[in-house]
Amino acid sequence: DAGVTQSPTHLIKTRGQQVTLRCSPKSGHDTVSWYQQALGQGPQFIFQYYEEEERQRGNFPDRFSGHQFPNYSSELNVNALLLGDSALYLCASSLRSSGGETQYFGPGTRLLVL
Amino acid sequence: AQSVTQPDIHITVSEGASLELRCNYSYGATPYLFWYVQSPGQGLQLLLKYFSGDTLVQGIKGFEAEFKRSQSSFNLRKPSVHWSDAAEYFCAVGFTGFQKLVFGTGTRLLVSP
Repeated sequence: DAGVTQSPTHLIKTRGQQVTLRCSPKSGHDTVSWYQQALGQGPQFIFQYYEEEERQRGNFPDRFSGHQFPNYSSELNVNALLLGDSALYLCASSLRSSGGETQYFGPGTRLLVL
Repeated sequence: AQSVTQPDIHITVSEGASLELRCNYSYGATPYLFWYVQSPGQGLQLLLKYFSGDTLVQGIKGFEAEFKRSQSSFNLRKPSVHWSDAAEYFCAVGFTGFQKLVFGTGTRLLVSP
């Protein structure tokens, strides 16, 4: 049973560029959440996708956007990159209909903005 | 606003000694409570969770946690620490109707020989 997978594992970009990160949820899961983890900090919620729609959003600017596909996989897009966007980006999947709130995390994508 | 506090940034424990990591939350109702562990450069692995019922929950790798409503706490414990337990530990809370998790800032566990 494959867990949550993310790609790429590492990425280096320069300020002003755009980046797309990808996530495949755990088999059987239908909800994907994205988190940003800055160095030395706990993960911060960016947004959550269910049924191909953004359902909740944290305190992140519109430069952060996402998408969920019919197969439940998801993308996180960040435009106009800033140095402060350097972080580990974590994807988590869960099964909404179960009523449980357990999220399972992928290994993350480490983004470095120069 | 909901918040999670992990008061200990670093903790050093001798191998074989017992461990307790503290977690306090701020929320008007009983939240869902989680402990995750993160090894360097890795994602988060779920150790255990509390939704309702017995306030002492067992998790993987010999960890347990106790929910104390009166203290708004969910402390993580292990009776005997192994060198492989060295990692960062995060307490998180979730809320009914939402699947957003709010995390604490983490506690880094160091295990001395």
